[in-house]
Amino acid sequence: LAKTTQPISMDSYEGQEVNITCSHNNIATNDYITWYQQFPSQGPRFIIQGYKTKVTNEVASLFIPADRKSSTLSLPRVSLSDTAVYYCLLNQAGTALIFGKGTTLSVSS
Amino acid sequence: DVKVTQSSRYLVKRTGEKVFLECVQDMDHENMFWYRQDPGLGLRLIYFSYDVKMKEKGDIPEGYSVSREKKERFSLILESASTNQTSMYLCASSKIRDREYEQYFGPGTRLTVT
Repeated sequence: LAKTTQPISMDSYEGQEVNITCSHNNIATNDYITWYQQFPSQGPRFIIQGYKTKVTNEVASLFIPADRKSSTLSLPRVSLSDTAVYYCLLNQAGTALIFGKGTTLSVSS
Repeated sequence: DVKVTQSSRYLVKRTGEKVFLECVQDMDHENMFWYRQDPGLGLRLIYFSYDVKMKEKGDIPEGYSVSREKKERFSLILESASTNQTSMYLCASSKIRDREYEQYFGPGTRLTVT
C-alpha cells in the first residue's frame, strides 16, 4: 500500500504556480521524499527528491517541514506541457518504490 | 544519459501463450523492477531484483515470473497469458547511492491478451 496521500486531481492555468501537497504521517527516519512525473504512454520520470527543509532544481521546488509528515511540490509558472500525473513517494535506498494513484494536474490556457 | 529499453512498445498475444517481456539497462544498475499500470489502479510492483539471479516478489506476483541472468537484463515472463494480464508493463532500474537513489523507467510495453 502507498504510504502517502495526495489529491486525486488539480486544475490550473498557464503561468500560475502550482503547489501539490502530500501527506506521509508514518514517514521513517531513513525515508527520502521523492516526486515523479508521468505523461500518457510514458514511464514515470524523476523530478525531485529531498530529506528535509527545501530542495530546488531547474524544474521544481520541494518544501519539507521539520516534522517531515508532509511535503509540497511547487511548480513555478506552469505551462500546458506540465499536464501530467505527479506521484509522491517515500523511498529508502535499496527498496522498491510504492506508487499511489498520484495527482492528475490539468493545465489550461 | 541512463537508458532503459524494453523489447516491444506494443504486443498482442493469445490466451495461454507464454510471453517474454525483456528489459535492458545500460548504466550498470544493481536494482531492476517490473511494474504494471492499469487505469484507476496506478503502478503496481510485480517483481524486483537487487542483483543477478536474485528476485523478490512485489505486490502482485501471481501469474508472473522473472529472470535475471545478467546484470543489465531483467525479463518478465507470463507463464500462461490471460486476458486480465492486458496492461501497460513498465521496467525500471536504479543504483544505490548512499541513501538516495532515482529509478529510471523504460517507455513501457502495452500488452494485449486476446
